[in-house]
Amino acid sequence: ETAVFQTPNYHVTQVGNEVSFNCKQTLGHDTMYWYKQDSKKLLKIMFSYNNKQLIVNETVPRRFSPQSSDKAHLNLRIKSVEPEDSAVYLCASSFSNTEVFFGKGTRLTVV
Amino acid sequence: GDSVTQTEGQVALSEEDFLTIHCNYSASGYPTLFWYVQYPGEGPQLLFRASRDKEKGSSRGFEATYDKGTTSFHLRKASVQESDSAVYYCALSLNNNNAPRFGAGTKLSVKP
Repeated sequence: ETAVFQTPNYHVTQVGNEVSFNCKQTLGHDTMYWYKQDSKKLLKIMFSYNNKQLIVNETVPRRFSPQSSDKAHLNLRIKSVEPEDSAVYLCASSFSNTEVFFGKGTRLTVV
Repeated sequence: GDSVTQTEGQVALSEEDFLTIHCNYSASGYPTLFWYVQYPGEGPQLLFRASRDKEKGSSRGFEATYDKGTTSFHLRKASVQESDSAVYYCALSLNNNNAPRFGAGTKLSVKP
């Protein structure tokens, strides 16, 4: 049963547009993440957020930013999308880096 | 940095074949190790974990043993089924502020 909810499931947009993806977890976890999964199924951590502390993977471009209103929500904003941003974005949560629970992902296509 | 290496990118088997997917890790501390499985259209989900040397994790006929000496956590199943077709990820987590790290994934295809 899914306990990490992501919207939308799919999004198609043009280069240069701004997009925002939502994520909510109902597990009471203290840490949330965004991972990027590329076409080769590689899973790369983008951000983790714990007790208002944000840890950013240094390889993530600055056009990406996480936004959190409380510990159950962590949204992802991309200010000006580029073609290489086409991927599946997976939101996840855990208790302090133990087992990670994933949502179903948001598939972004940039045309 | 901490990392996980899966040597097989793709594995193609027939039903009832024996499966091995190799996983080796590199970590600065004593990690917890995981195997995750991802079906099409879903996020990865936990198969099982192990936290100590020589500990065996298992689920649904899959198993792996934590080996600190060889820094390995190889996934095995004695007899695969078509329904096991999926992508399998080995992962590690340390008790610090760093997010869990995943291997490159292994796509398993099982023919009936």
